[in-house]
This record gives sequence, structure tokens and C-alpha cells, in this order.
Amino acid sequence: GENVEQHPSTLSVQEGDSAVIKCTYSDSASNYFPWYKQELGKRPQLIIDIRSNVGEKKDQRIAVTLNKTAKHFSLHITETQPEDSAVYFCAPSQDDYKLSFGAGTTVTVRA
Amino acid sequence: EAGVAQSPRYKIIEKRQSVAFWCNPISGHATLYWYQQILGQGPKLLIQFQNNGVVDDSQLPKDRFSAERLKGVDSTLKIQPAKLEDSAVYLCASSSLGQNANEKLFFGSGTQLSVL
Repeated sequence: GENVEQHPSTLSVQEGDSAVIKCTYSDSASNYFPWYKQELGKRPQLIIDIRSNVGEKKDQRIAVTLNKTAKHFSLHITETQPEDSAVYFCAPSQDDYKLSFGAGTTVTVRA
Repeated sequence: EAGVAQSPRYKIIEKRQSVAFWCNPISGHATLYWYQQILGQGPKLLIQFQNNGVVDDSQLPKDRFSAERLKGVDSTLKIQPAKLEDSAVYLCASSSLGQNANEKLFFGSGTQLSVL
């Protein structure tokens, strides 16, 4: 099965600074790379995703970059705000729809 | 559109008791998943249904866990008997068929199980 690692496990940033989370995976057949955000007591929600034929994707303050050769992809959050505080999960997968979630990164944005 | 519905929201039981969780996916979604999320960890897939058939149950502890989706719509996950280590949030998710099905994965609010 897929072996997924996220780094760092916790991240504390000053409001307005940038945050970067890296996800490393083992299955070279993975072709779908989403990031989920989970606030305390809430359900995971998809915030951005990328497919293996694209290297980078942006959506306002968040972006995902993919390095398929090295088997890692990263989440970038710019101009962080207090509402960005949450746990972020990467979940690489193949086309059979099975997501393999990482252990999560707890992001705290300090006001 | 209505989301994925799950009940109950919370459940507290003693070890060796039985418990059942219910999930109603988004209308029209053929694929249904049950995930287990232990505190401080990412969700772990327990079972995946396509309509009323099981696609993957390789990580389901079949000696105590069972799940069914008899009519291809709503689903029930059962634990019998429960152990302390089953304390977790049980998340149901659904998605539609299609090449980009993963991009349409929606989670329910989950059932938080505490086994005492």
C-alpha cells in the first residue's frame, strides 16, 4: 500500500507569513494529489488538488506543487490568517479513488 | 445540494458492547466509503462500496467490524464486540462515478465513538 509522510507535523506561523507543508509518497502509480483541511471537530474538506500532468496549481492564497520524479508534493499558504489554523492532510491516490491520508500537519497562525 | 448524512453524532458504549453507525450519501453517488479517524491521525479507509458491492475491505477488521449497503444507497457500519482501541471518529464519504471521482469526494460530519 501507499506510504505517506507529512512534514512538519506541527507548524506555527505569524499572521501574514507563509506556510509550507510537504507530503512524500511511495507509490509511483499515484496520479491524484489532494490537500484536505480539517478544523477541530469538523469534517475534512478538500481545499486544493492537482493531477500528475500538472506541476503547480494556485487558488487565491493557496497553491500545490508536485514533483512526481521525487514523489512529493507541497501545500503553500501565503498571507496566512487566523482562520487558516487547522489540521492539513495530504491524500495521494490512484484512479481507483482510494485516498491514503497522511498523519496531518497542525497549523497554528499567531495573531 | 444535501450533504452526506451520518448518525448518531456521538456514541458512548462500554467495551464488548455492540454499536452501529448509519450513513446516507449524497443522492446519486455510487461510491461510498467508511473511514476511521483515531485522535491525532489521518483518516484510514475501512471499506469502499461501489453501488451495493464491496470494492475494498482489506483494512476492515472483519472479526469485529461489518458493513453493508444492501440497496446501494445508505450504509450501516457495525462493531461487535467493541474494544477500547475502537474509540475514534467514523467518517462516511461518497463520490460520483467518473474519471475525476476523487475530486468529488464529500465527507459526512462523522460519528464520534467512545469505548469505555
